[in-house]
Amino acid sequence: GAVVSQHPSWVICKSGTSVKIECRSLDFQATTMFWYRQFPKQSLMLMATSNEGSKATYEQGVEKDKFLINHASLTLSTLTVTSAHPEDSSFYICSARDLSGGIEAFFGQGTRLTVV
Amino acid sequence: AQSVTQPDIHITVSEGASLELRCNYSYGATPYLFWYVQSPGQGLQLLLKYFSGDTLVQGIKGFEAEFKRSQSSFNLRKPSVHWSDAAEYFCAFLFSGGYNKLIFGAGTRLAVHP
Repeated sequence: GAVVSQHPSWVICKSGTSVKIECRSLDFQATTMFWYRQFPKQSLMLMATSNEGSKATYEQGVEKDKFLINHASLTLSTLTVTSAHPEDSSFYICSARDLSGGIEAFFGQGTRLTVV
Repeated sequence: AQSVTQPDIHITVSEGASLELRCNYSYGATPYLFWYVQSPGQGLQLLLKYFSGDTLVQGIKGFEAEFKRSQSSFNLRKPSVHWSDAAEYFCAFLFSGGYNKLIFGAGTRLAVHP
């Protein structure tokens, strides 16, 4: 149980285009989802927290208009990188928490984004 | 400020040797602490967690960690390392303000020599 699936696992896009990453909780309802960004050989930096049906809370320094987060259902959150540039290339990881099941968060397998 | 620190960026051990990865936290109360492992290009796998109770926590893959309040530490240990343990290890701390978000340490990259 407690499986979180991210799609796609990797994506290559052209500069200026937008790309959407999906995060799904497969066997539980995720009231809260988190999006992290990880640069090569670095730690995970929290980008934003989203709660189902409400606006995401972004960490300081994260551009809201650049990284659009939608958490429209209890099993799906999406991160859209708008007008992507090469500096947006990174590893993006989501995690999901079911508050009724405790405070532990479960992680997706990550998405490798390369902008060319 | 609440934070978690992993002092060692890289550690190299020989296969079969014991391992200890350090983690220190800064928080005003008893924190919720986690250790995760990440293989290259992969997501995170939870090794173990500490919420309360017994300060020696057993995890998967033969790992254990001990919470020491007096030292503000939560070090990860394994008595005998296997080559497959080579990976990146992250200590994480649950920041209970707002949405209970996980804050990660910088990570420790473990290399295992045959």
